[in-house]
Amino acid sequence: KQEVTQIPAALSVPEGENLVLNCSFTDSAIYNLQWFRQDPGKGLTSLLLIQSSQREQTSGRLNASLDKSSGRSTLYIAASQPGDSATYLCAVNSGGSNYKLTFGKGTLLTVNP
Amino acid sequence: DVKVTQSSRYLVKRTGEKVFLECVQDMDHENMFWYRQDPGLGLRLIYFSYDVKMKEKGDIPEGYSVSREKKERFSLILESASTNQTSMYLCASMDFANTGELFFGEGSRLTVL
Repeated sequence: KQEVTQIPAALSVPEGENLVLNCSFTDSAIYNLQWFRQDPGKGLTSLLLIQSSQREQTSGRLNASLDKSSGRSTLYIAASQPGDSATYLCAVNSGGSNYKLTFGKGTLLTVNP
Repeated sequence: DVKVTQSSRYLVKRTGEKVFLECVQDMDHENMFWYRQDPGLGLRLIYFSYDVKMKEKGDIPEGYSVSREKKERFSLILESASTNQTSMYLCASMDFANTGELFFGEGSRLTVL
């Protein structure tokens, strides 16, 4: 059974800092991995999707990497801003039956002005 | 832009009432999902559908049913609401034919008194 872990559960940084959020998974046989952002009381917004054949994806100040062999993905945020404050979740799609997504419980990021 | 719309952002219902949560997507996706999200428990899959009139139980289907009469619409039904169904409900659709990317609606916060 796939298990997804996000450590730390919460992170507080000063504005302008570069930071890395971590996502670990136990079964390396994945179809893709997706990073989301969730603001309080809202739904999840897709940030980046990495297919199993890819090593990384970039969008603006965000860069996500994937290392299947070690069961890890990282989300790098450059030059953090207070508007980046949110909960970041990763979800692993283990393929096969198309509903087998396993979510981490998220990292609550606070960027202080 | 991709759009998943949940008709009700906030609902307050009484124990025993029948509750309908509606979700519409405009992306012609075949796969749609209902999750609930609770503090400390993360996202849990209630039901998913991979085609019109097709549905599969997720991890926590008890107390819920679903309806998918049209491709764009996926409804979650609480036949007799109970207080332990107070939660945030999230609808999602997946671009399974192409990238496997998952898109979420804004969420429906249900309180059962």
